[in-house]
Amino acid sequence: QKEVEQNSGPLSVPEGAIASLNCTYSDRGSQSFFWYRQYSGKSPELIMFIYSNGDKEDGRFTAQLNKASQYVSLLIRDSQPSDSATYLCAVNSFKTGANNLFFGTGTRLTVIP
Amino acid sequence: DTEVTQTPKHLVMGMTNKKSLKCEQHMGHRAMYWYKQKAKKPPELMFVYSYEKLSINESVPSRFSPECPNSSLLNLHLHALQPEDSALYLCASSQGTYNEQFFGPGTRLTVL
Repeated sequence: QKEVEQNSGPLSVPEGAIASLNCTYSDRGSQSFFWYRQYSGKSPELIMFIYSNGDKEDGRFTAQLNKASQYVSLLIRDSQPSDSATYLCAVNSFKTGANNLFFGTGTRLTVIP
Repeated sequence: DTEVTQTPKHLVMGMTNKKSLKCEQHMGHRAMYWYKQKAKKPPELMFVYSYEKLSINESVPSRFSPECPNSSLLNLHLHALQPEDSALYLCASSQGTYNEQFFGPGTRLTVL
């Protein structure tokens, strides 16, 4: 079982719509959850992090965490063409004996003008 | 300053060369990381330094040798690489190993 699973997409949404990105993780002991955005040929850019159950909002972005269901999501409101990128979910885990950050394979988002 | 810098941006090397990748951060972070990323794949952790000590080595071949000269600098020494080592090499730093990691722009490495 993979540590972090994401739907690889591609996910296409029209401009102005809400994009919903989902991620599940396997380690119930995980405590830190991150969303990174990566444009083609560039490095990952941190856009959200969440540590507690519930919602966390930052501008057009909302991260949602449900530890009971081992589920993390990212909502992007009023999607813009500039949001078109690959979104990586990352979760910490001690399963290998040390605190590692595990990345999902990423969801490719395309916002259609 | 919330930036992680990496040099060089691009590197082409032969299989017999020795080269080094450099990473620097001035955010006072105490954890620094090297990742390798192949096209259309997520970053793979290679090494973690915490308080300037190597804390994680993810079974990386010895042709990759990390070094942390001080709390702001991280190097990755390369020797006798293989063509399959061609990838984007990313450096990251964080306040501690539980905290959010900030990535540098990466070094695009091509091994001929």
